Amino acid sequence: DADVTQTPRNRITKTGKRIMLECSQTKGHDRMYWYRQDPGLGLRLIYYSFDVKDINKGEISDGYSVSRQAQAKFSLSLESAIPNQTALYFCATKGRGLTDTQYFGPGTRLTVL
Amino acid sequence: AQTVTQSQPEMSVQEAETVTLSCTYDTSESDYYLFWYKQPPSRQMILVIRQEAYKQQNATENRFSVNFQKAAKSFSLKISDSQLGDAAMYFCAYRSGNTDKLIFGTGTRLQVFP
Repeated sequence: DADVTQTPRNRITKTGKRIMLECSQTKGHDRMYWYRQDPGLGLRLIYYSFDVKDINKGEISDGYSVSRQAQAKFSLSLESAIPNQTALYFCATKGRGLTDTQYFGPGTRLTVL
Repeated sequence: AQTVTQSQPEMSVQEAETVTLSCTYDTSESDYYLFWYKQPPSRQMILVIRQEAYKQQNATENRFSVNFQKAAKSFSLKISDSQLGDAAMYFCAYRSGNTDKLIFGTGTRLQVFP
């Protein structure tokens, strides 16, 4: 079984709809991250969480919110989706140590029409 | 602010040959980490190799090795004996020694021809 899972893998929605992307991990990591990938721009950090009560904005948090329901679960919500939020979204996890590496989920491709 | 630049949008290599992907970064810090991630068509981001800035020795993982030039702020990835399965997007990434935030380059698409 995969250590980091994301649901759904693909989603098409309409402008104005609320949508939630979910991430679960079995690695026992405290730290979790949401990234967005756009063609030609690489990955950019949306939000990150060091534990259930510690959530922080990344470089592109506008239009997004997150919820850390448990150590193993970190959800990303788009309250009112817009077409320029069409992108590939990745969840990642990492242990507490500064030398630890981030491990990525398989990604969710979101299309907003 | 730190930046990561990958100046080669696309590269190609013949199977069994060697290819080098370039990455430069800008930082004023002395403590940091550098990474190469591979993204095949499956979209999964896979860690290929990492380098700690304090280590002078270049990291190596099987057919993958890096040329880390700290003074020049250069971190290139060399793939030896290229295989068809190496075809993917490759991203260079930087992380400061005192944060968790990864800063990614824009990627290089590698094609491998038989």
